[in-house]
Order: sequence, then structure tokens, then C-alpha cells
Amino acid sequence: GDSVTQMEGPVTLSEEAFLTINCTYTATGYPSLFWYVQYPGEGLQLLLKATKADDKGSNKGFEATYRKETTSFHLEKGSVQVSDSAVYFCALSGGNFNKFYFGSGTKLNVKP
Amino acid sequence: GAVVSQHPSRVICKSGTSVKIECRSLDFQATTMFWYRQFPKQSLMLMATSNEGSKATYEQGVEKDKFLINHASLTLSTLTVTSAHPEDSSFYICSANRGLETQYFGPGTRLLVL
Repeated sequence: GDSVTQMEGPVTLSEEAFLTINCTYTATGYPSLFWYVQYPGEGLQLLLKATKADDKGSNKGFEATYRKETTSFHLEKGSVQVSDSAVYFCALSGGNFNKFYFGSGTKLNVKP
Repeated sequence: GAVVSQHPSRVICKSGTSVKIECRSLDFQATTMFWYRQFPKQSLMLMATSNEGSKATYEQGVEKDKFLINHASLTLSTLTVTSAHPEDSSFYICSANRGLETQYFGPGTRLLVL
């Protein structure tokens, strides 16, 4: 079945460091891929998405490219800030944006 | 952007009582809503798919008599945790589809059963 695997955390970085959070997926057909962010005590917020191969989703300095050949959707940011500290979830969904399958989440801690 | 709300945001109840959580799509109609459960420091687990005007579809291992779902209108779905026990304590999150766009997630409801 469909599934998402993302790197375990926590990831601890200093401010302005480069961030990569790996995400790979298994799916039948052609899923859409997402990154969601969850700040402490809050629900999920959509960070970015890509709906087809080679698409690049980007938002707030974060970006991820849908790589069909490696079944990956790694999240990157060139310079993280303390305010980026949160839990990041990679997810996939079938063509009708119905069921979502989430990765286990990666906690990011950014220190000043 | 689309907004999905949940009420209450936090609830504490005694063991054996029932708790109802509401999920509303505030500026769009959602024929399908989803209920997730998130355990501490873990990912979201899909519990059920709520379809307006019909019975909910539950994921394997989720007790339908324990977690009652009612999708009474195109903007409201409710999850009732019946005869709650401490192991039901969790963070419950709903989401809603707007047409063929992505899902929008509610802010979550934290349930603590004493």
C-alpha cells in the first residue's frame, strides 16, 4: 500500500544553517506530495505541495522537488531561523486528494 | 484561504463519559471530511472518512461503535468518543476536501480522559 518514510529526528541546527529533511514514498499511480508543518500545540499547516513529477513546491524559503525516479520529496531550506522550529510531516495523497498518508514527522530544533 | 475549525480545542472528561468534537468548514462546502488521531510525538493516523449524508468509512482497527461519526451537513462533521477511557486521550484532527484541491486541516482537539 501507499506509505511515506521520512528521516527520524530530532534535527538540531544553528540559525542560518542549511536544512534537509529526507522523505521517500511508495505509491501506486501518481500521487501528490505534501509537506505539512506543526507548531507546538497547533494543528497542521500546509507548507508546500507538488502534484506531478519534477514539480517544485516552495513557500517561506522552503522547497521540495517531486522526484519520480527516486520516489523522493526532500525538504530543503537554505538558511533556517529559530521560528522554523516545529515538526515537519511529509505526506502523499491519491489523485482526488482523499486519503492522506503521513510520514512519522521530523522535529526540527533551531538554536540561536 | 480555506478554514477548517474544530470545537472544542481542548476537553477534559471523566472516564465513562462521552465527548463530542465538531469539525466545520467555514468558507466552503465539504462533501468529505476526515478524522485523524495523533499520539504524542507520533504521526497522524487516519481513523475514518466522513461522507455527507452517508455512513462513515472506518479504517481497519478503528472501532465504529467507539468513535461515532456524523456528517450532518456539507459544513459539519462530528466525532463522538463514547464511554471514553484514559487510553482515548489523544489529539484529534479533522480535515476537509474542497473540490479537487488539497485537504485543509483543523487546528485539532486535545482530549484528556481522567
